[in-house]
Amino acid sequence: GNSVTQMEGPVTLSEEAFLTINCTYTATGYPSLFWYVQYPGEGLQLLLKATKADDKGSNKGFEATYRKETTSFHLEKGSVQVSDSAVYFCALSAPYTDTGRRALTFGSGTRLQVQP
Amino acid sequence: EAQVTQNPRYLITVTGKKLTVTCSQNMNHEYMSWYRQDPGLGLRQIYYSMNVEVTDKGDVPEGYKVSRKEKRNFPLILESPSPNQTSLYFCASSFRPPGTGELFFGEGSRLTVL
Repeated sequence: GNSVTQMEGPVTLSEEAFLTINCTYTATGYPSLFWYVQYPGEGLQLLLKATKADDKGSNKGFEATYRKETTSFHLEKGSVQVSDSAVYFCALSAPYTDTGRRALTFGSGTRLQVQP
Repeated sequence: EAQVTQNPRYLITVTGKKLTVTCSQNMNHEYMSWYRQDPGLGLRQIYYSMNVEVTDKGDVPEGYKVSRKEKRNFPLILESPSPNQTSLYFCASSFRPPGTGELFFGEGSRLTVL
């Protein structure tokens, strides 16, 4: 079945450091890939997405490239800020079931702590 | 303001005492889902609804019920809660099927079952 594997956290960085959060996946077919972010005390928000191989999703200085050959979708940011402290979830779209249901498969999340 | 509203945000209850977590969205979305978030497991889908009166089991439906009598509301019902249902619950809605468009999440409901 489909699965998403993320690096374990927490990831602790100093402000302005370079960020990489690794995400690899196992899936049948050609899923879409997503990064969601969860700030403290809030629900998840879509950060970026990519729908086909070699697509690059970007938003708020974050980027991720859909790499089919390595089944990866690593999240990067060139210079993190304290306000980026949150939990980041990688997710992929599952195929439709025979009942018409479709779901996202989420990774376990990676907590990022940025220190001033 | 577009939002998904869940209530209660926090609840402590005892084994076997029925409870309902409400979810309401004001974006006229057709698709709504319930997820539970547990440490190390990410989010897992409990139930899913494609429209009014159309629901389907997700990956972890045991011990839960849902109903979709109105488009905006999608309550989650725990008929006889047990300690293994202690978790953080999220309701989500979307205009398109999950995976084809953005999911909008509520702020979460933290449930503790003693």
